[in-house]
Amino acid sequence: ETGVTQSPTHLIKTRGQQVTLRCSSQSGHNTVSWYQQALGQGPQFIFQYYREEENGRGNFPPRFSGLQFPNYSSELNVNALELDDSALYLCASSPLDRVVYGYTFGSGTRLTVV
Amino acid sequence: QKEVEQNSGPLSVPEGAIASLNCTYSDRGSQSFFWYRQYSGKSPELIMFIYSNGDKEDGRFTAQLNKASQYVSLLIRDSQPSDSATYLCAALADRGSTLGRLYFGRGTQLTVWP
Repeated sequence: ETGVTQSPTHLIKTRGQQVTLRCSSQSGHNTVSWYQQALGQGPQFIFQYYREEENGRGNFPPRFSGLQFPNYSSELNVNALELDDSALYLCASSPLDRVVYGYTFGSGTRLTVV
Repeated sequence: QKEVEQNSGPLSVPEGAIASLNCTYSDRGSQSFFWYRQYSGKSPELIMFIYSNGDKEDGRFTAQLNKASQYVSLLIRDSQPSDSATYLCAALADRGSTLGRLYFGRGTQLTVWP
């Protein structure tokens, strides 16, 4: 197992720009979720992918979109960045039949929008 | 709206003491619950999961679940300064359109002083 890796670690973007964040999940982890964690808050669910299909979405606008690839790696895209998008973005993965035992989180991407 | 509430703290205990962290949840359908530890600037790390009523012990950590009261707790015995972190309580939605997503509390900041 190589763990869940995310890139980049830190990112600074200007309001209105677009950003792509990447996640490489552990071998065999076919379920990938993305979370946004604002300062002082718990992580908030953005969406989840299973077998390259989105199968659940939280209360985030359509400018938040994602992809999952055949190797289970994933991307989070955010268009038209707003100042409130500044947060820690977390990727979490698990085999679908083991989600009841918990997800493994990646190290996160700290996004700052100025 | 499914919610997870935590005593926001901060909680401060001396080294060697028992730290008690509490959490309530609103969704009676939730079956699995998790405690994540998050050091400042880092991603959440799973330390305990529980899905049966009662206690579950792992080393210095004991998780307690009471489904009738919709209450989850975490006890840390013989607290160490290295336990100083934010502890996140999470509930897993395991049915319907929200299947597989985690609902997090805001976290409780714990400080263990020498």
